[in-house]
Amino acid sequence: DQQVKQNSPSLSVQEGRISILNCDYTNSMFDYFLWYKKYPAEGPTFLISISSIKDKNEDGRFTVFLNKSAKHLSLHIVPSQPGDSAVYFCAASLTGNQFYFGTGTSLTVIP
Amino acid sequence: NAGVTQTPKFRILKIGQSMTLQCAQDMNHNYMYWYRQDPGMGLKLIYYSVGAGITDKGEVPNGYNVSRSTTEDFPLRLELAAPSQTSVYFCASSYGRGFSYEQYFGPGTRLTVT
Repeated sequence: DQQVKQNSPSLSVQEGRISILNCDYTNSMFDYFLWYKKYPAEGPTFLISISSIKDKNEDGRFTVFLNKSAKHLSLHIVPSQPGDSAVYFCAASLTGNQFYFGTGTSLTVIP
Repeated sequence: NAGVTQTPKFRILKIGQSMTLQCAQDMNHNYMYWYRQDPGMGLKLIYYSVGAGITDKGEVPNGYNVSRSTTEDFPLRLELAAPSQTSVYFCASSYGRGFSYEQYFGPGTRLTVT
């Protein structure tokens, strides 16, 4: 059973506009959430994270929002750049030992 | 620092053969992980380790074994390869609980079992 879901397999955005990637989870015990970016033939690279005690975290062009009551988090990229084109995975942690990943959203930023 | 290294990059196995996927990290991380990624799917945790001599099962451990004799190395063993184990395998490491949950991933091993 998929505990972390990314329901949009793909997303296309014009350069300079906002990209919003969404993620839903089912287990209310998850205490930490992360976003990773992945290019083809490479391992995922860490992007940004958020603890369950917060509802927002920013790092440059990237902001993650957490809505615990809806069991939903989102990643905002502003402004989007062509180099942001990649597959984005959200992940949720249970006690920092086990991690559950979504199926990924492929973002294409159109120049 | 080399970060997380994995060998081999590619491998083709016949059904029933065995092999070991190697993983090493030079960041002095306590935690190490093995994941598999099937086409169109997310990463699934196979096994993880919170330190040398300590390992535990993840979501999909069947058909695999691990050991952690040193902080640096975390090999994954496939004993009797099956077609269902065709996948891309990623090793990762992190400082772990109380420090940072951010995981550093290796480049992956693409395994085909025929």
